[in-house]
Amino acid sequence: QAVLTQPSSLSASPGASASLTCTLRSDINVHTYRIYWYQQKPGSPPQYLLRYKSDSDKQQGSGVPSRFSGSKDASANAGILLISGLQSEDEADYYCVIWHNNVYVFGTGTKVTVL
Amino acid sequence: QVQVVQSGAEVRRPGASVRVPCKASGYTFTGHYMHWVRQAPGQGLEWMGWINPKTGGTKYEQKFQGRVTMTRDTSISTAYMELSSLTSDDTAVYYCAREAGDRSGDDAFDLWGQGTMVTVSP
Repeated sequence: QAVLTQPSSLSASPGASASLTCTLRSDINVHTYRIYWYQQKPGSPPQYLLRYKSDSDKQQGSGVPSRFSGSKDASANAGILLISGLQSEDEADYYCVIWHNNVYVFGTGTKVTVL
Repeated sequence: QVQVVQSGAEVRRPGASVRVPCKASGYTFTGHYMHWVRQAPGQGLEWMGWINPKTGGTKYEQKFQGRVTMTRDTSISTAYMELSSLTSDDTAVYYCAREAGDRSGDDAFDLWGQGTMVTVSP
């Protein structure tokens, strides 16, 4: 079982909200981790969006719009990236990352399509 | 301008090695750990390890232990990632990425190179 699992794809309409999940393997507790989120557009390197551990430990990347936000769903043992007011420019791949056992682990990635 | 710049594409035969440079500018090179992340065609991102440019200390993902070597030359603010015994599975874009804080661990990669495509082909 992968350490971090993300749905492979998600589609939504312009102006809608999109909730991307990053599910942690069952033997590790989401409460413990900072969840980092990156956006990658075709042919470009990833860009840092934000990190979220709790409301008191969170950070927005430089220049990242506030319509990108992070949260957690403890019951699902998952980190969440919420994109509000989807725009065509948000069409990209999104990766979550954690620092686990002194190494960085990337999630499997979610491709977001704006219909 | 704060940036990390990587070289162009590389082609190697199976069994060969490749060394990928990553030149930093616009910030104190020794003040931030440098990480390497790769991405095979159509696949996700994979963390390979880091180097502390100040001390030269390194940490590698277990999968790459014995095959990867990360070094730096502080005189020219350049980090290097060398991967040996290449196979077709190593065909990927290799990115260097700066860690935001001044020590490794649990921080964002806030600055990325544009990537170096390494193709391993007979």
